[in-house]
Amino acid sequence: KNQVEQSPQSLIILEGKNCTLQCNYTVSPFSNLRWYKQDTGRGPVSLTIMTFSENTKSNGRYTATLDADTKQSSLHITASQLSDSASYICVVGTGGSYIPTFGRGTSLIVHP
Amino acid sequence: NAGVTQTPKFRVLKTGQSMTLLCAQDMNHEYMYWYRQDPGMGLRLIHYSVGEGTTAKGEVPDGYNVSRLKKQNFLLGLESAAPSQTSVYFCASSDGTVYEQYFGPGTRLTVT
Repeated sequence: KNQVEQSPQSLIILEGKNCTLQCNYTVSPFSNLRWYKQDTGRGPVSLTIMTFSENTKSNGRYTATLDADTKQSSLHITASQLSDSASYICVVGTGGSYIPTFGRGTSLIVHP
Repeated sequence: NAGVTQTPKFRVLKTGQSMTLLCAQDMNHEYMYWYRQDPGMGLRLIHYSVGEGTTAKGEVPDGYNVSRLKKQNFLLGLESAAPSQTSVYFCASSDGTVYEQYFGPGTRLTVT
């Protein structure tokens, strides 16, 4: 069964600090991996998308990495801001399928 | 370009009542999805469509029906609402290439 596990479940950091969120997956065959940001009360918004041949992708202060051998991805947030407070969801696409597999998300709270 | 829109934004139903949630997208996407999101559960797929006139069951389809009569619209119906269907419902659409999903703002449904 395809699965996506995210850690930690929740994280609290101070404004200006960096943090890293983890995503481990057992999806086969792998097609792509996406990170979404979901603000409270809103729909998820795509941050990055990586295919098998890509091992890093940046979007401003967000940098995602992918290790297809170990089936792990991380999302690094640099110089956190209050607006980074949100849920971050890892989603893995399967080759030949229209249906991606979602992780349960990491809830990030940034305190001033 | 409005992206993905959902109607209504909020709704309260009594047990046994019926309703239809409307999802519309203006990006000419082939694929459309309905998810529900419950605390601690992440996003779970209810039904999806790979093109006009087609629908398929997802992970949690019981108690829901869908229709895709027009490419831009995807309707989710609850024939006899139950308290277990209290949730936030998200619609998403994607194209046929990297399958990046674009989400609507969500519908918060409470069944009493």
